[in-house]
Amino acid sequence: DVKVTQSSRYLVKRTGEKVFLECVQDMDHENMFWYRQDPGLGLRLIYFSYDVKMKEKGDIPEGYSVSREKKERFSLILESASTNQTSMYLCASSTGLAGGRETQYFGPGTRLLVL
Amino acid sequence: SQQGEEDPQALSIQEGENATMNCSYKTSINNLQWYRQNSGRGLVHLILIRSNEREKHSGRLRVTLDTSKKSSSLLITASRAADTASYFCATEGMSGYSTLTFGKGTMLLVSP
Repeated sequence: DVKVTQSSRYLVKRTGEKVFLECVQDMDHENMFWYRQDPGLGLRLIYFSYDVKMKEKGDIPEGYSVSREKKERFSLILESASTNQTSMYLCASSTGLAGGRETQYFGPGTRLLVL
Repeated sequence: SQQGEEDPQALSIQEGENATMNCSYKTSINNLQWYRQNSGRGLVHLILIRSNEREKHSGRLRVTLDTSKKSSSLLITASRAADTASYFCATEGMSGYSTLTFGKGTMLLVSP
């Protein structure tokens, strides 16, 4: 079974702090994704990566950056946390194979509260 | 945004009844997928239907896709209390990257 783990289930940070959210997958997947989930807005893609050191902006990249130094690990960085970044953050991975049959495997999520 | 829309936003039924959720989307797709999310947890993939398919079954799940209407439906037959969750449709576009665009979800409550 694919396992995607996230470093924290719950996190409380203060405005202006630098925040790191870590995600690790154990299935040698090429693609990794970061989403945020807010009530009434569903999941929105922040950034994704299709290879080590490669990154692409999603729909809402402002205020975030990412790092992928190793294939299994994808980090989301909030350079200076703000209260409007309080949210549930979900990491996912997928194989990266062509053919229109990609499914994503999700981690359990990190609930971030910025005070 | 090309976000899809699920309908209804919330659905409450009794165990044993069928649950039907609908999804509409805006652009051409490679495939459409349905995911389930139990309260406060990550999403779990349920079923994928490709753009050239019209219907697909998996256990108690039946998915239909109408690309001319840009819509899909998920039917859960003989619902159980354990089916209580939020259900999301997600579409893979044709951009070349395997990214998904998620809808806002339908919250299903199945009462014993």
